[in-house]
Amino acid sequence: RKEVEQDPGPFNVPEGATVAFNCTYSNSASQSFFWYRQDCRKEPKLLMSVYSSGNEDGRFTAQLNRASQYISLLIRDSKLSDSATYLCVVKKSGGGADGLTFGKGTHLIIQP
Amino acid sequence: DAGVIQSPRHEVTEMGQEVTLRCKPISGHDYLFWYRQTMMRGLELLIYFNNNVPIDDSGMPEDRFSAKMPNASFSTLKIQPSEPRDSAVYFCASSPGHQETQYFGPGTRLLVL
Repeated sequence: RKEVEQDPGPFNVPEGATVAFNCTYSNSASQSFFWYRQDCRKEPKLLMSVYSSGNEDGRFTAQLNRASQYISLLIRDSKLSDSATYLCVVKKSGGGADGLTFGKGTHLIIQP
Repeated sequence: DAGVIQSPRHEVTEMGQEVTLRCKPISGHDYLFWYRQTMMRGLELLIYFNNNVPIDDSGMPEDRFSAKMPNASFSTLKIQPSEPRDSAVYFCASSPGHQETQYFGPGTRLLVL
């Protein structure tokens, strides 16, 4: 089983709709979780961290389910500018700045 | 503020040639990372430095790859000799201390013919 798995998509969603996608991870000792966003031919950028209690940032909501070892990202009222690849990132236990494992990403296309 | 700077942005070379990729991290960041991204394998960590010292190079594919960080503001990733399978986007990222947020540079698109 891969360390971090995501549905590559693409997810084709009409503007204004709500879209959600999940990411599963294999290491139950994983400590920290993030969503990064990567635009076409650009670098990845941190979108948001994922906290155990779930967290929200504007139209974006991230949730963590440790029992089932997955995290999710929900985007409400989607905008054309949300079109991008969303990378799930998991940090292993043990501290330090290493140990970040990236998923291959989920490609999201918002259609007008 | 300037972000992470990488050069060149694009590189096309022939198999067997030496390739040197350069990175200037964000000033004050103690950690520097080199990643490689391909469609097949996604984003992979190659090596990272803490205070200019290489900490983990277990992701470096083979001896053809080497990385250095002679000072806090400069790092290089060298491939010698290059092979077509090295074609990828190479990202440099930096991070302030132990915080997990990594700031990526724009990447170098490498094509080895």
